[in-house]
Amino acid sequence: DQQVKQNSPSLSVQEGRISILNCDYTNSMFDYFLWYKKYPAEGPTFLISISSIKDKNEDGRFTVFLNKSAKHLSLHIVPSQPGDSAVYFCAASAAKSQAGTALIFGKGTTLSVSS
Amino acid sequence: KAGVTQTPRYLIKTRGQQVTLSCSPISGHRSVSWYQQTPGQGLQFLFEYFSETQRNKGNFPGRFSGRQFSNSRSEMNVSTLELGDSALYLCASSLRLAGGDTQYFGPGTRLTVL
Repeated sequence: DQQVKQNSPSLSVQEGRISILNCDYTNSMFDYFLWYKKYPAEGPTFLISISSIKDKNEDGRFTVFLNKSAKHLSLHIVPSQPGDSAVYFCAASAAKSQAGTALIFGKGTTLSVSS
Repeated sequence: KAGVTQTPRYLIKTRGQQVTLSCSPISGHRSVSWYQQTPGQGLQFLFEYFSETQRNKGNFPGRFSGRQFSNSRSEMNVSTLELGDSALYLCASSLRLAGGDTQYFGPGTRLTVL
């Protein structure tokens, strides 16, 4: 049973526009969420994170929104650039639980930004 | 500051053999986690070490094991390799126990089992 779901396998956006990547989770124990960007045959690169005590976190072009009641988070990239083309993974952990240290990943969304 | 390093980057083994992968965390990081990435299952947690002790373990058979040394470097071992063990093995480090702390990933070791 997937605890973290990224329901859109792919997303295509034009350069300069907003990219919105979505992620849903089922485990209410999750309290720390992260987004990673990944190129083939490389390790994931950390982008941005958010704790469950917040509903928004910004870092440059990247903003993550968390809706705890809906168990939903999203990553906004504004403006999108061709170099943003990669696979984006949403991950979650339950810091306070016994098994809290593991990151649970979604299956990823492939973002393609065209110029 | 240097990132997480993993050696070797590529490895080819045959069924039944065993393999050891190595990970050096970011300087000062004490927690090391291991993940397996396959096309079918995605990124899955293997185990985490902190202060030389395994703190958490994923749902993998006992053929998968690991250890951490006093300098926080970690190794993982897979014995009696199976074809399905072919994957990208990723190591991640964090400053503290990884829950609630950002994990930074290495480039991975691509293991191919023939």
